[in-house]
Amino acid sequence: ILNVEQSPQSLHVQEGDSTNFTCSFPSSNFYALHWYRWETAKSPEALFVMTLNGDEKKKGRISATLNTKEGYSYLYIKGSQPEDSATYLCAFRDYGQNFVFGPGTRLSVLP
Amino acid sequence: ETGVTQTPRHLVMGMTNKKSLKCEQHLGHNAMYWYKQSAKKPLELMFVYSLEERVENNSVPSRFSPECPNSSHLFLHLHTLQPEDSALYLCASSQGERDSKETQYFGPGTRLLVL
Repeated sequence: ILNVEQSPQSLHVQEGDSTNFTCSFPSSNFYALHWYRWETAKSPEALFVMTLNGDEKKKGRISATLNTKEGYSYLYIKGSQPEDSATYLCAFRDYGQNFVFGPGTRLSVLP
Repeated sequence: ETGVTQTPRHLVMGMTNKKSLKCEQHLGHNAMYWYKQSAKKPLELMFVYSLEERVENNSVPSRFSPECPNSSHLFLHLHTLQPEDSALYLCASSQGERDSKETQYFGPGTRLLVL
C-alpha cells in the first residue's frame, strides 16, 4: 500500500502571512504529483500537475516545488487571504497506475 | 450546464434499499472516476472508466456496481449497503486516457448516509 503523507494536518494563519506545507510520497516509480484545493461544500479544484524533478509551478500567490528523488513537494501561499481557507490535497501517481491521495492540510486564514 | 454534476447531492438509504448515484460531465472528457471519502480518511479511488471501459477496480465490494453507458455519464448502483459505507462519493473526469498526466475535474459529491 502506497503511503502519501501531508503535514501539517491543519494550520491557522493570519491574513497576510505566507505559509507552506508538505506532501511526502514514495520516491520510486514516480509518474506525477497533483495538488488540489478543496473548499468546504465545493468540488476539489486542480491547482498543479507536476512531473519532473525540480519542477516549480505558480498560479497567482500559490506556488509549488517538486523533489522526486527524496519524495516531497512543497506548496507555498504568499500573503494568505481568507479566501485561501480550504483543504489542500496532494495526489501521487506511479507507473503502476496507482493514484493515491494524501489526507490533506486544512488551512484557515483569519482576517 | 458546465463541468461535472452529480445527483442526488444527499441520499439516505436503508441497508435493504437499492439506489443509484449519477454523474454527468459536460467537458468532452474520455475518462471518468468514482471516489469515496469516509470521515477522517483520504480520498479513495474506487473505479476508473476510460472510453467507457472499466480499467480499474480497487477491490471494491460487489455491493457497489458501476456503469458507464457513454463517455458523458457514470452511475454507481448501490445495494445492500452497510452503515460503514456512509461517506461522500465524488465523481471526476479527465481529458485523456487513464495513464495520462491529465488533471481531474471533480463533481460536488453525493453525501450518503446508510441507516
